[in-house]
Order: sequence, then structure tokens, then C-alpha cells
Amino acid sequence: SQQGEEDPQALSIQEGENATMNCSYKTSINNLQWYRQNSGRGLVHLILIRSNEREKHSGRLRVTLDTSKKSSSLLITASRAADTASYFCATGRLSSGSARQLTFGSGTQLTVLP
Amino acid sequence: GAGVSQSPSNKVTEKGKDVELRCDPISGHTALYWYRQSLGQGLEFLIYFQGNSAPDKSGLPSDRFSAERTGGSVSTLTIQRTQQEDSAVYLCASSLRPSTDTQYFGPGTRLTVL
Repeated sequence: SQQGEEDPQALSIQEGENATMNCSYKTSINNLQWYRQNSGRGLVHLILIRSNEREKHSGRLRVTLDTSKKSSSLLITASRAADTASYFCATGRLSSGSARQLTFGSGTQLTVLP
Repeated sequence: GAGVSQSPSNKVTEKGKDVELRCDPISGHTALYWYRQSLGQGLEFLIYFQGNSAPDKSGLPSDRFSAERTGGSVSTLTIQRTQQEDSAVYLCASSLRPSTDTQYFGPGTRLTVL
């Protein structure tokens, strides 16, 4: 089964610096999404990039997708202490009944130091 | 409602007891998903509902786990004869339609089996 794997597992940077997290997966996908999780609770959807897209922007977020390498990156520019959280990539594939079962990686723990 | 809600937020139980976890999806969302997240891990897909039916139960880890959804809205995840390895955060998500990619997550229920 496909699986998103993020690296690094943990990243610590100073406020104002950029943070880059990477995700690799194993099989063909319809889309790749990035989620953020604070304190081990609910996830917040950040951005979705479809398999026919190469780059997407949303505010301070930039996501790239390289389907030939089966990898994606999430860049957070001008980081803030409030960006401290775990970031997960999730790959979407069709499941029974046309549902999008998301397969999540194990996440990158980002710490932004003030 | 404004978002996905789950109850209880925390549940501590003794090994061998049954537990019920509840999820209220966003009003009008037809698809509902249950995931499990063990400490420091990514999310593991458990089950998906389209309306009141569950076309995909592939992720349920054992026959001690079951779920139902009534009225196309509220869902309950039941774990019978809980084991210590069931300890995790159980997350529910909903999406507008099964083919809609973005899933909106609830805050989760932290289950601790002593």
C-alpha cells in the first residue's frame, strides 16, 4: 500500500527563517495534501495539490509535487512561533464507493523558536 | 454545525471494557471517516461511511471494532473488550461528498486503556 513518509522527522528553526519539509510516497496518486496538527489533536487541512500540478501557493505556504520522483515538499516562509506543530502529508486514492481514503505519513514536528 | 465535533474528548477505561466514541460531522457532509493515531505516529484509516453505509471497512484492526452511522449524520465507533494497544487518539473527519478531496477533522478522542 502507498505511504507518505515525511522528512525530517523533526525540524527546529528560528522565527523568520523558512522551513522545508519533504514527503515521499510509493504508488500512483490522485492528489497529495498537507495537514497541520497541534498538540496531537485535530488536523487542519493546509493545501491540496493534484497529480497534474507541479506547484501551488497559499499565503506563506508553497507546495511542490514531483510525480516522477514520487515526492512533495512543503515550504513555510517567514516562519512564526505559531507555526510550531506537526505537519503531515497525505496521499489520496480511490477507495470503495469513490471515497478518498487518505494515507498519512508519520509527520514532521516543526518547532519555531522565538 | 460549524465543524466536526467528537465526544468524549478524553476517555480512560479499564482493559476488557467496551467504549463508544461519537462523531458529529459537519452538517450536510455525506462522507464520514474514522482514523486512529497512536502516539507519535501518522493516521491509520479505520472505516469510511457514505450516508449510512460503510463501503470500506478495510482498516478496522479486529472484530472488536465496529461502527455505525444513523440518519446520515452522527457516527459511533465501538470498541469491545478494549486492550491496551487500543490506546490512541481516534479522529473523525467528514467531507461534503465521497468524491470531494478535502476532509475536515474533529478534535479527536484520546482513549487510554489501563
